[in-house]
Amino acid sequence: DQQVKQNSPSLSVQEGRISILNCDYTNSMFDYFLWYKKYPAEGPTFLISISSIKDKNEDGRFTVFLNKSAKHLSLHIVPSQPGDSAVYFCAARGTGGSYIPTFGRGTSLIVHP
Amino acid sequence: DTAVSQTPKYLVTQMGNDKSIKCEQNLGHDTMYWYKQDSKKFLKIMFSYNNKELIINETVPNRFSPKSPDKAHLNLHINSLELGDSAVYFCASSPVGTSDPDTQYFGPGTRLTVL
Repeated sequence: DQQVKQNSPSLSVQEGRISILNCDYTNSMFDYFLWYKKYPAEGPTFLISISSIKDKNEDGRFTVFLNKSAKHLSLHIVPSQPGDSAVYFCAARGTGGSYIPTFGRGTSLIVHP
Repeated sequence: DTAVSQTPKYLVTQMGNDKSIKCEQNLGHDTMYWYKQDSKKFLKIMFSYNNKELIINETVPNRFSPKSPDKAHLNLHINSLELGDSAVYFCASSPVGTSDPDTQYFGPGTRLTVL
């Protein structure tokens, strides 16, 4: 029962272009969403997050968009750089005492020079 | 000055053995976690500890026993290892109770291979 789905296992983009990573969720109780980035042989690192009261959050080259009605969020990276090549995990959590998110299975982004 | 460290990084062992993975964080966080990333790449929560006390145990076989000697350490002991235990195990911590409770800080992972 995948509550957070990243249906594209991989994405290939040219340097300088936009990378768009997508994420869908099924649990309507989720109200906080996060993106983590993971390099090989390292643990995931927090990238950007968004609360359900917003539909957009921007941090430098990274922007996350949230469409609550569609239960969909996306991460935009503009412009993409070779150093952005990594696995990107989408995660979501609901209200309540636990801050433990449910993770998707990740999308591997490759940015070609 | 590694924030969350795990040892060992790689662990290869035979079925039936008992092994431990150690985790330490120097971030001063009260909450620590163990995650398992299986062959399908999902990161699934196994345990959560807050101030040395078990908060969450997510349907993990009781062959897995976490131990938190202090709030900076959360070790994972696994008895009678099975083939299906092969995975990458990540330790994490988070500053729950602060203004940034959601951000989790992960260790580099321990790749466990059971033969």
